[in-house]
Amino acid sequence: AQTVTQSQPEMSVQEAETVTLSCTYDTSESNYYLFWYKQPPSRQMILVIRQEAYKQQNATENRFSVNFQKAAKSFSLKISDSQLGDTAMYFCAFPSGFQKLVFGTGTRLLVSP
Amino acid sequence: ETGVTQSPTHLIKTRGQQVTLRCSSQSGHNTVSWYQQALGQGPQFIFQYYREEENGRGNFPPRFSGLQFPNYSSELNVNALELDDSALYLCASSLAPTVTLLMNTEAFFGQGTRLTVV
Repeated sequence: AQTVTQSQPEMSVQEAETVTLSCTYDTSESNYYLFWYKQPPSRQMILVIRQEAYKQQNATENRFSVNFQKAAKSFSLKISDSQLGDTAMYFCAFPSGFQKLVFGTGTRLLVSP
Repeated sequence: ETGVTQSPTHLIKTRGQQVTLRCSSQSGHNTVSWYQQALGQGPQFIFQYYREEENGRGNFPPRFSGLQFPNYSSELNVNALELDDSALYLCASSLAPTVTLLMNTEAFFGQGTRLTVV
């Protein structure tokens, strides 16, 4: 069974700084996607970034980038130039059996002025 | 805004009652998935509907059931409510039931329904 592990329950960072959120996963599949979702207090899950496992190049979306280490099954999210609006829960997710997303337990990120 | 809307936003029910939650999927999406998110946890997959048929189910008892209508909107029904059913229920719609490498089939989530069972 696929599993996703986020070992950091909470992280704090000051505005304009850089923060990295960790995620590890377990799968026997060779081609797959990995996702980072953001859940602000409004509760709506928003896709932040996705990585295709067959691509060696790490995905980047503006201030968000990933460090994907396929052999280590590691998928961390780096947020550069943190903004107050980045305060949210962040979930790492993996599509299992092509039907469902398996989520980690989340990391609560607090960005302070 | 993702175009996925859920109703109601909040709901309080008594143990043993039945509840129906509704989800209107994004235009053009034929697949709806439901997730339960307990406090402090990540979402857990309940089931998925594709073209009005159940297309996969997570580890939830039969008292959790669903429907998908011809317009691809969906309902989640929970019978004989238990205190542990208190959670945020999220609906997600997508273009297809699978996350493929060839097309953008990412899931778009609604804002959820907060269910409290007392």
